Amino acid sequence: DIQMTQSPSSLSASVGDRVTITCRASQSISSYLSWYQQKPGKAPKLLIYSASSLQSGVPSRFGGSGSGTDFTLTINYLQPEDFATYYCLQSYSTWAFGQGTRVEV
Amino acid sequence: EVQLLESGGGLVQPGGSLRLSCAASGFTFSTYGMSWVRQAPGKGLEWVSSISGSGDNTYYADSVKGRFTISRDNSKNILYMQMNSLRAEDTAAYYCGRISSSIKSNWFDPWGQGTLVIVSS
Repeated sequence: DIQMTQSPSSLSASVGDRVTITCRASQSISSYLSWYQQKPGKAPKLLIYSASSLQSGVPSRFGGSGSGTDFTLTINYLQPEDFATYYCLQSYSTWAFGQGTRVEV
Repeated sequence: EVQLLESGGGLVQPGGSLRLSCAASGFTFSTYGMSWVRQAPGKGLEWVSSISGSGDNTYYADSVKGRFTISRDNSKNILYMQMNSLRAEDTAAYYCGRISSSIKSNWFDPWGQGTLVIVSS
């Protein structure tokens, strides 16, 4: 099974900051990687698919990069509504989520 | 508008059974794979199971293999999860998600609002 290691598990940031979250796969997953945002009590929301494609309706301050084993989610100019938990998901071989990154004030 | 609506959650005793449903609307249900994902209280997301559009192919996480069965009724646009031999560690919010795909990837979008399963005596 493919394991996803996401880091950091949490981070403190301020409005206007640039935030970077990483996911590392235990083996190459090409671009079979997506990113999700989840707020308390709500369902996850797709942000990025195919490692770097921005989902329709998602602000352009969100960006994804990487391929193979190393992937990054970047949030530029962090906004108040961006404080949430973020997850990566590999879909190359069945499916597996990273552990999550909580972005807090 | 694409919508997914889960139901069937509730309180069940250890060893008991429960069937979750996910009603889909706004898209051609039979042409999309579907998945179940769960989240234990205060924990992260865990992929549970997926099924192909035709229902011919099913996939399970090791944690539920042999106890849970995913199925679908394409005539009714409903996804199911039959959960047997439930354990305390199965306590979670259960979400259904549509599998969208391209040539080089696949992902879950959209998601339902979730249904809560509590396994306790």
